[in-house]
Amino acid sequence: EAGVAQSPRYKIIEKRQSVAFWCNPISGHATLYWYQQILGQGPKLLIQFQNNGVVDDSQLPKDRFSAERLKGVDSTLKIQPAKLEDSAVYLCASSLGSGNGYTFGSGTRLTVV
Amino acid sequence: GDSVTQMEGPVTLSEEAFLTINCTYTATGYPSLFWYVQYPGEGLQLLLKATKADDKGSNKGFEATYRKETTSFHLEKGSVQVSDSAVYFCALRGGSNYKLTFGKGTLLTVNP
Repeated sequence: EAGVAQSPRYKIIEKRQSVAFWCNPISGHATLYWYQQILGQGPKLLIQFQNNGVVDDSQLPKDRFSAERLKGVDSTLKIQPAKLEDSAVYLCASSLGSGNGYTFGSGTRLTVV
Repeated sequence: GDSVTQMEGPVTLSEEAFLTINCTYTATGYPSLFWYVQYPGEGLQLLLKATKADDKGSNKGFEATYRKETTSFHLEKGSVQVSDSAVYFCALRGGSNYKLTFGKGTLLTVNP
């Protein structure tokens, strides 16, 4: 089966600019996750969707980050405006359900200068 | 809240050496425990898992045993290879939404 697709692979922007990342999960996977992985740290959950509803967004900085999963399939994560500390790899993962195993995408590496 | 603590890296070993990467956790209830591996330039891959106390997960020569009494899930391999060079993450999954909580990762470099 095809894996979790993410784009772009790399992005460099200036602080205060906007950026968006895209994720297409494995077909049929109801649960979708966005994680932020800062260099030297483990991934941290930003938001979890079950179909097109939000299950957990407690660690999403809502003043600048937003995410949507229209139609319960692919998802977009946006940062507006970006700060230097947002430099990280943004990982998308999906699973059949919240109790099932995760499959991770290769991630988008964001550099804010 | 849930948390995972794993040994600081980097770890540098010679080929065929014995590997241990320590991992301890704090969680309410009975979490599932995982080791993920991230090879250079690639995404996170599940290496092994254990879902209840005393379970042993194993894959590709790596093993880890879920120790509830010591809240630990140490990763071991008897003879590492150069191809094992990667970052290893310990993680737990628990709570009502089954989210994964990761440790900071341990960079392993194996020299020939």
